[in-house]
Formats: sequence, C-alpha cells, structure tokens
Amino acid sequence: GEDVEQSLFLSVREGDSSVINCTYTDSSSTYLYWYKQEPGAGLQLLTYIFSNMDMKQDQRLTVLLNKKDKHLSLRIADTQTGDSAIYFCADSTGGGNKLTFGTGTQLKVEL
Amino acid sequence: DVKVTQSSRYLVKRTGEKVFLECVQDMDHENMFWYRQDPGLGLRLIYFSYDVKMKEKGDIPEGYSVSREKKERFSLILESASTNQTSMYLCASGTHRGTEAFFGQGTRLTVV
Repeated sequence: GEDVEQSLFLSVREGDSSVINCTYTDSSSTYLYWYKQEPGAGLQLLTYIFSNMDMKQDQRLTVLLNKKDKHLSLRIADTQTGDSAIYFCADSTGGGNKLTFGTGTQLKVEL
Repeated sequence: DVKVTQSSRYLVKRTGEKVFLECVQDMDHENMFWYRQDPGLGLRLIYFSYDVKMKEKGDIPEGYSVSREKKERFSLILESASTNQTSMYLCASGTHRGTEAFFGQGTRLTVV
C-alpha cells in the first residue's frame, strides 16, 4: 500500500533554519501537505502544494517538492520556540481530503 | 471559523465495554474521517464517510464501526474495547472537493 515516511526527531537552535523531510510512494498524489500538532491539540494545516509545483513559499515556510524522487521538504526559517511541535507530512490522490499521513517529526527548538 | 468538536478529551473505559466517540462539525462538510494516532506510527485512517449513511473502511477498520445518521455528526464505535485500542483518536471533516481537512482536538482513550 501507499507509504509516507519521515524521520522521528529533529533538534535545532532558536534562530536557525529547520528542514523536515518526507518521502512518499504514491506517484498519483495530487496534493501534499504539512500539518502541525502542538502538545494536547489537534492538527492544524500549515501549507500544501499541488503536485505540478516544485516550490511554495509562505512567510517563514518554504515547501520543496521533487516529484521525480517523491521527496517533500518543509523549511522553517528563523525557527522559534513556538515552532516546537510535531510536523506531519500527508498526501492525497484525486483531490479531496482523504489523507495518508507520515509518522510525524518531533521538532525541538533549543535556546 | 470551522469547528470540529469531539465530545470528550479524555476517556477511560474497561476492557469489553462498548465505547462511543462522537464528532460534530458545524460547516456542513460532506466528508468526515476518523483517525487514530500512535507514537511512531503517525495517523492511520479507521473509517470515513462522504455522505449521510455512507461509510467506507480505511486502513485499520478491524474492531471499529461507525455511524453517520446526520450530516454534521460522525460516531466511532468500539464494539468491545480492548487494551490495544488505547490511543489518541482524531476526527476530521472537509468539503467534497476541498483541499483541507479540519481536525478536532482529539480524544485520548485509555482501555484498562
């Protein structure tokens, strides 16, 4: 079946850039997403990218998509302590919002 | 703002009990989903529904059933709770052609 993979942990210093990586197997994915989960909360959509794009920028967030390698990354510039959370990569096929999620990456921001 | 409300934040149930987890959304969304979240496994889809009285199995439906009698409400049922169903359960909703799924706060269920 379809698979979405992420590394489990990332630790960065405040003010540095964070890069969270994700690989997926479904070549028919139409949308790829990044969701954020703060402690004790549900998931919040951060950003998404359509599969025919290779980059999307939104303030401190940059999403890069390499469709050939099925690799997605999320770069957070000037990482702050408030960015500490779990970040989930997800994809969907055929539009809509039935999602396949990765394992989540726990981002820890140290002072 | 879209609101997806799950009836309980925390639940403790005994093995063998029948458990109901309720989810209500206020945006007239057609699609609703139940996921469970476990450390190191991410979110896995249990069941979903694209319309009233419709239901589809997700990736891990065993031990669960669902009910969608009204558009705004999607219930997850554990017919006979077991300890391996201890988990965080997340409900989500979205429109038919929408790109975003909106999540509730989650219900942390412990089965003892």
